[in-house]
Amino acid sequence: GAVVSQHPSRVICKSGTSVKIECRSLDFQATTMFWYRQFPKQSLMLMATSNEGSKATYEQGVEKDKFLINHASLTLSTLTVTSAHPEDSSFYICSASSTENQPQHFGDGTRLSIL
Amino acid sequence: AQSVSQHNHHVILSEAASLELGCNYSYGGTVNLFWYVQYPGQHLQLLLKYFSGDPLVKGIKGFEAEFIKSKFSFNLRKPSVQWSDTAEYFCAVTPPNSGGYQKVTFGTGTKLQVIP
Repeated sequence: GAVVSQHPSRVICKSGTSVKIECRSLDFQATTMFWYRQFPKQSLMLMATSNEGSKATYEQGVEKDKFLINHASLTLSTLTVTSAHPEDSSFYICSASSTENQPQHFGDGTRLSIL
Repeated sequence: AQSVSQHNHHVILSEAASLELGCNYSYGGTVNLFWYVQYPGQHLQLLLKYFSGDPLVKGIKGFEAEFIKSKFSFNLRKPSVQWSDTAEYFCAVTPPNSGGYQKVTFGTGTKLQVIP
């Protein structure tokens, strides 16, 4: 149980393109979803926390207009990287939890490469 | 702000060898502590956690970790590793007012390679 599906697993696109990444909880309702970013040889950095039906809370230094997060249902959150540039290339990972005092369940991640 | 340090970036062991992965954290108060594991091609999974109580925590697959408050450490141990333990291991912390699992700060990870 507690499966989180992330799609796509890999995307390569041109600079200036907007890219949408989906995160779905397949067998539970996720009131809270998290988005992380991981640069090579670095740790996962929390970008934002989203609660279903409300605006996401972004961590310091993360541009909310650049990384649009939508959590419109209890099973789906999306991260849109707007007007992506090569410096946005990274590994993006989502996680979901049913409540704030329950473990996070992680997706497999999305490798984003901007040319 | 909290931070987590994992000093071993890459560890290579032979099967049956003992394992200890270091984790130190900095935070001005009580924290919740975790070890996560990511097997090749798979997502992150929770290995074990410490919230309170017995500082020696036992997790899945024979892993354990000991919280030593005076050393701000939460080292992961296993007496005898197997080839299937080959994975990347992440130490992590959350602040006490996070509900336990939110506001996670991860370490940089340690890649463990077990040679048959």
